[in-house]
Amino acid sequence: DTAVSQTPKYLVTQMGNDKSIKCEQNLGHDTMYWYKQDSKKFLKIMFSYNNKELIINETVPNRFSPKSPDKAHLNLHINSLELGDSAVYFCASSQDLSYGYTFGSGTRLTVV
Amino acid sequence: AQKVTQAQTEISVVEKEDVTLDCVYETRDTTYYLFWYKQPPSGELVFLIRRNSFDEQNEISGRYSWNFQKSTSSFNFTITASQVVDSAVYFCALNDANDYKLSFGAGTTVTVRA
Repeated sequence: DTAVSQTPKYLVTQMGNDKSIKCEQNLGHDTMYWYKQDSKKFLKIMFSYNNKELIINETVPNRFSPKSPDKAHLNLHINSLELGDSAVYFCASSQDLSYGYTFGSGTRLTVV
Repeated sequence: AQKVTQAQTEISVVEKEDVTLDCVYETRDTTYYLFWYKQPPSGELVFLIRRNSFDEQNEISGRYSWNFQKSTSSFNFTITASQVVDSAVYFCALNDANDYKLSFGAGTTVTVRA
């Protein structure tokens, strides 16, 4: 059983399009996250949701909109995609911060 | 604000050599959590170890060992007798106790040659 699953794994799209990445966790965790990994492998948090409430929103363009319909799901919708949005996006979840985060396998987004 | 520094960008070794990865962190909190993650070429992020700020006991797990020293704000990681399968990017990360944000270092790419 996959603990944190993201779909799709790969996404190639043209500039200006709108796309969504879905994330689901079956661990019963209260908190979910989106991280972005750029071409230099640097990982940076984008959003964090706790029990469906937004608790962290880093300086992310408002073209990015997270949606949490329930605490097991956190989807990421991106409007008007730009070349600079090309990256790997990781979903993660946690219950107790001291135990760390469980990451999904990542979604490689390529904007052409 | 929390910050993690991994000064080594890349390390290349021959199989069976030991590899030590350095990690230095900054935080104002007295309670925090430190982690190491591995990212193999397949791309997933694999959890390796966590340490609480109040637990300075160092540990050995198989070929992996960790050296946590609060006095120098360091949390170093050693792979003993490296193998080709250890080739990956290794990330050190820090989470303050009251902050839902895991801050990563820039990562160290380890290449183990046969």
